[in-house]
Amino acid sequence: SQQGEEDPQALSIQEGENATMNCSYKTSINNLQWYRQNSGRGLVHLILIRSNEREKHSGRLRVTLDTSKKSSSLLITASRAADTASYFCATDLIQGAQKLVFGQGTRLTINP
Amino acid sequence: DAGVTQSPTHLIKTRGQHVTLRCSPISGHKSVSWYQQVLGQGPQFIFQYYEKEERGRGNFPDRFSARQFPNYSSELNVNALLLGDSALYLCASSVGQSNQPQHFGDGTRLSIL
Repeated sequence: SQQGEEDPQALSIQEGENATMNCSYKTSINNLQWYRQNSGRGLVHLILIRSNEREKHSGRLRVTLDTSKKSSSLLITASRAADTASYFCATDLIQGAQKLVFGQGTRLTINP
Repeated sequence: DAGVTQSPTHLIKTRGQHVTLRCSPISGHKSVSWYQQVLGQGPQFIFQYYEKEERGRGNFPDRFSARQFPNYSSELNVNALLLGDSALYLCASSVGQSNQPQHFGDGTRLSIL
């Protein structure tokens, strides 16, 4: 079963607009990570946020984490056509193995 | 520096056959994990290996096995292939410490006829 659930499943916006994707999870986590996947390719790591952190920035990306609500959000500002991809959140559970549990992803389309 | 490399990139097999997929981690990474991604879904964890020892196993049947070699490269083996094994198989490497990201290869696309 999936630990994380992304919302929305699909998002289409105009270039230059901001895109916000949300992720909810069910159990306690060690950290939460966001990945991007272009069609048919591997996943690219975007940001890792630890369970004791609330917000992190990387370039045009901003990630928030609310452990009390078991939710996270990814904001992409000033979107570009190259941001078109699927975005996944993945939780790293508090266990011995470094096992990522992924949601089903948000398909983001940036229209020129 | 080279990223995670996987081979082959594409593979076509028939039901009942077996397959071996290969992965070379980023230099200096001691942990390798395998994931299966069915079309339209997020990746599902199969195995993690660290320093040649199995650290974790996902909910996959015993037809799936893996190993890690002294140079930290890894193989994923799948026996008695089923149509449902058709998927993108992703390998990820990391330094193996807590709170470190995993870095993924481009995967092997396995199609079962």
